[in-house]
Amino acid sequence: GQNIDQPTEMTATEGAIVQINCTYQTSGFNGLFWYQQHAGEAPTFLSYNVLDGLEEKGRFSSFLSRSKGYSYLLLKELQMKDSASYLCAVIDSNYQLIWGAGTKLIIKP
Amino acid sequence: SQTIHQWPATLVQPVGSPLSLECTVEGTSNPNLYWYRQAAGRGLQLLFYSVGIGQISSEVPQNLSASRPQDRQFILSSKKLLLSDSGFYLCAWSVATSGASYEQYFGPGTRLTVT
Repeated sequence: GQNIDQPTEMTATEGAIVQINCTYQTSGFNGLFWYQQHAGEAPTFLSYNVLDGLEEKGRFSSFLSRSKGYSYLLLKELQMKDSASYLCAVIDSNYQLIWGAGTKLIIKP
Repeated sequence: SQTIHQWPATLVQPVGSPLSLECTVEGTSNPNLYWYRQAAGRGLQLLFYSVGIGQISSEVPQNLSASRPQDRQFILSSKKLLLSDSGFYLCAWSVATSGASYEQYFGPGTRLTVT
């Protein structure tokens, strides 16, 4: 079967750094997305990784290791507005998106 | 620029009543279109996707159906709602392509409560 695992919830402090992990077992791999979803709102695109390594976009970075079936999203200089759920999604061999259940990130002052 | 619209934003319907949710996309042609459902505190469940007018693929057998009467219009329907149909319904679009992958862009969602 296809499976994506993320921690259910994480807590971090404003101004700190947090790493949200995602591990996947899918039938094939054609890329991995990270989305941010604030409560009651639609998900918005954060990053896309298809090759191994780190992609940096401002305060957010995403890392991929295809051999390990592993990715992480790194958030630096945390702000209160970063409180949201972060969804990991993998594109399988049929170019379908397989979604993780998401990690709820709580930022404390 | 591209925009995606969904309506209504919220809906409260009794069990056994019909449902029709509409999604339209502007600023792009021949997009791939998707319907998702998200239960409270859960991930996204793909319900239907469409690669063209009249072409619908169903991912989950259920009492819902989808139609694509026009290139940029995607409709989610039900003849008789169940309590388990409650959730947050999201429409999304992506660039249509073969052999490549692009991000999906989501509409604002419809929160459906079946009572």
